[in-house]
Amino acid sequence: AQSVTQLDSQVPVFEEAPVELRCNYSSSVSVYLFWYVQYPNQGLQLLLKYLSGSTLVKGINGFEAEFNKSQTSFHLRKPSVHISDTAEYFCAVSSNTGNQFYFGTGTSLTVIP
Amino acid sequence: EAGVAQSPRYKIIEKRQSVAFWCNPISGHATLYWYQQILGQGPKLLIQFQNNGVVDDSQLPKDRFSAERLKGVDSTLKIQPAKLEDSAVYLCASSSSGVPTDTQYFGPGTRLTVL
Repeated sequence: AQSVTQLDSQVPVFEEAPVELRCNYSSSVSVYLFWYVQYPNQGLQLLLKYLSGSTLVKGINGFEAEFNKSQTSFHLRKPSVHISDTAEYFCAVSSNTGNQFYFGTGTSLTVIP
Repeated sequence: EAGVAQSPRYKIIEKRQSVAFWCNPISGHATLYWYQQILGQGPKLLIQFQNNGVVDDSQLPKDRFSAERLKGVDSTLKIQPAKLEDSAVYLCASSSSGVPTDTQYFGPGTRLTVL
């Protein structure tokens, strides 16, 4: 089975500063990795996903993530955050051998003006 | 393109009562998912449908939860009877074919409070 750990439950950051949200996964098979964002009172929206190939994945709203197989990580980064980036961010994993989709517990990003 | 629709958005019931949630996926999407998201946790998959058949319901508490997707389009999730620990947001998602690489598109969720 797969699992996901998001190490930071809350991350406050000042506007226009860079941010990194950490995600580590556990799996004995090849995985696919996803980052979703959940704005207040809205459903989850896909930011980006890693399926194969280049380990640096670019997503919407200026976010990017890097797949690191040796460290089993998939950290999310943005060089300069905006107030509108305040939301809950979820890392998720699925495998190529099953249908299950496992979410982490989420990281609440708060951008401070 | 219309997104995933869910209703109601909010529901408050007392324990031991019954409740039902409705979901209409994106048109043409074969796969439909129901997730339970308890406050402070990530979404947990309850059940996955491929058209009108169940692919995975291993984490569905079958003694009180049931779900159906009779015509392979919209779906209902029912809880009978509800317990306090069922208080959560119930999310519906759909994807085009259900393979692990597919993007899942989520609805806004139904927030259930059990008193």
